[in-house]
Amino acid sequence: DTAVSQTPKYLVTQMGNDKSIKCEQNLGHDTMYWYKQDSKKFLKIMFSYNNKELIINETVPNRFSPKSPDKAHLNLHINSLELGDSAVYFCASSHSHSTGTEAFFGQGTRLTVV
Amino acid sequence: AQSVTQPDIHITVSEGASLELRCNYSYGATPYLFWYVQSPGQGLQLLLKYFSGDTLVQGIKGFEAEFKRSQSSFNLRKPSVHWSDAAEYFCAVAFGSGNTGKLIFGQGTTLQVKP
Repeated sequence: DTAVSQTPKYLVTQMGNDKSIKCEQNLGHDTMYWYKQDSKKFLKIMFSYNNKELIINETVPNRFSPKSPDKAHLNLHINSLELGDSAVYFCASSHSHSTGTEAFFGQGTRLTVV
Repeated sequence: AQSVTQPDIHITVSEGASLELRCNYSYGATPYLFWYVQSPGQGLQLLLKYFSGDTLVQGIKGFEAEFKRSQSSFNLRKPSVHWSDAAEYFCAVAFGSGNTGKLIFGQGTTLQVKP
């Protein structure tokens, strides 16, 4: 059983399209995250949700909208995709949002905007 | 500003040789420290973590790391590298009392293993 699973694994789309990435965790964790890994492999947090409530929004363009229907799911919807959105997006979860809590990562979704 | 630095972008070692990957952080107090590994096309897997106590921590896959407060460092080591260790290694830290679960990552070090 995959602890943190993301779909799709690969996504190729044209500029201007709207797309969603889904994430589910079966660890019973309260907190979920989206991280973005750019072409230089630099990882940076985008969003964090705790029990369906947004607790981090790291100055991400409002074309990106996370949605957490329940604490086991955190989806990422991206409107009007741009070339610069091409990256690998990682979902993660942790037991809580306390400082220093261990995060468990999904396998990533490689988004390519053409 | 709080930051994490991995000075070595790329390291190549021979199989069986020892390995040390460097990580330095900038913060006024002791942060929570982690090392993650990313194999090609895979997600990140936690190798080990340090919160407090013994400054030498053991992790999975034969890795260990040593926290040195005086040097603001948390270097990862392995006595004998295997070809399967070739991957991207990330040092990460969590700072402060904000209780957001946020991790700040270093730039990563790509490890290549020569046969």
